[in-house]
Formats: sequence, structure tokens, C-alpha cells
Amino acid sequence: DSGVTQTPKHLITATGQRVTLRCSPRSGDLSVYWYQQSLDQGLQFLIQYYNGEERAKGNILERFSAQQFPDLHSELNLSSLELGDSALYFCASSTNPGQGLPGELFFGEGSRLTVL
Amino acid sequence: AQSVAQPEDQVNVAEGNPLTVKCTYSVSGNPYLFWYVQYPNRGLQFLLKYITGDNLVKGSYGFEAEFNKSQTSFHLKKPSALVSDSALYFCAVRDFNQAGTALIFGKGTTLSVSS
Repeated sequence: DSGVTQTPKHLITATGQRVTLRCSPRSGDLSVYWYQQSLDQGLQFLIQYYNGEERAKGNILERFSAQQFPDLHSELNLSSLELGDSALYFCASSTNPGQGLPGELFFGEGSRLTVL
Repeated sequence: AQSVAQPEDQVNVAEGNPLTVKCTYSVSGNPYLFWYVQYPNRGLQFLLKYITGDNLVKGSYGFEAEFNKSQTSFHLKKPSALVSDSALYFCAVRDFNQAGTALIFGKGTTLSVSS
């Protein structure tokens, strides 16, 4: 158990809908990362938050947004869903600050999104 | 741009034999390299990392990796494979294009260990 909790584990929805994925980082970790894993794209970095502030942005679509709350949990919002958004979405956390030597990331079990 | 390449989609090895999962990297600064493993329907688990120092890095579950700067490689190795090592393995590098500390992952290599 990595200590990172993601909900829901599975989600099935229709095209055009909006969903919210939730992540609770390990106790004490200030950084939260979101990744998308799909068969064709592999693991793609979406976005990183550090202590409530956006730190880095990767290949995140404009239809997607995220935030980190004062209690350090994070939510990833996916809107106007398309079939191609079906994927496994991972949250990870680390103790590191936004810059400097990187430590390891600790991953949750993921949220599997299916868009029909 | 930072990137890692895992040239083999799948590696097959018999139990008890040594295993190697290959990774090459391309970075503009210091190469901070990682290996992760993913079991079916699970999240990624950290195995080991190279930041600086000894080129041979030892990690979890008996795995080790050798950093080779001249060949820009960071191959994952284990002297004696177990059936339970069968999983998806990812090599990753620190993304220096970003202000943060995100990692860029390779496509992954499926390791299959037969009994």
C-alpha cells in the first residue's frame, strides 16, 4: 500500500459528460501529480500541484482541470468527455518541493474511466 | 527534450536465469533516472533511482540497475528471475523542461518469467 488513495476505482460514463476524480496523497506529501495511462499513449504526465499551487503542466487538455485543496487532497475534473478519454488515471505524491532533486513518486491504484 | 526509450516491448526469461530490461535516456542536464514496476490492475511501485554517485544502484526485490553515461543507458537487472517478477516495467527520467519534479516514463516493457 503506497498510502495514496484514489476514488472512484472504476467509472463508466457517456460522451459529453463531466467527471471528477479524487486523490488523497500520502500523509505529509505536499506534491500531487496526475498521470493518464492508455494503451496507445502510455503514461502521460498531466499536471503537478505543490502545496495548493500549480507547479507544472504536461499534456493536459483544456477540457481537463485540476486543483489541490488546503487539506492537500486533489481533484481532476474531466469535462466534455470523448471516447478517447477512456484510460487509467493515476495520482502520485511525493515529499519534494516543486524544484530540486526529485525523489520517488508514490502512486495510487488508479481510477479507470470508461467513456461510452 | 528529455526522454527515455525502452527498446523491447517484451522480455521473456526462464525462472532462475538472469534478466535485463533495457532503457536508454536523452536529457539536457543531469540524468535523474528511475525504475518502476506495475502489476496487473495496480499502481506503479518504485524500484530504484539514480541521482548521483555509484553507477550500480541497488533497489527493491533484488533488482539493480547500472548507469552508463557513455552509452546513455540505465538497464534494470536481476541475477535470478522469479515467476513473481512477471509484470510491466517502466523506466523514467526527471523532466527538466518543467519547473516541477514530474517524471517522463518510457512505454514500458512486459517481463514474463516462465517456470
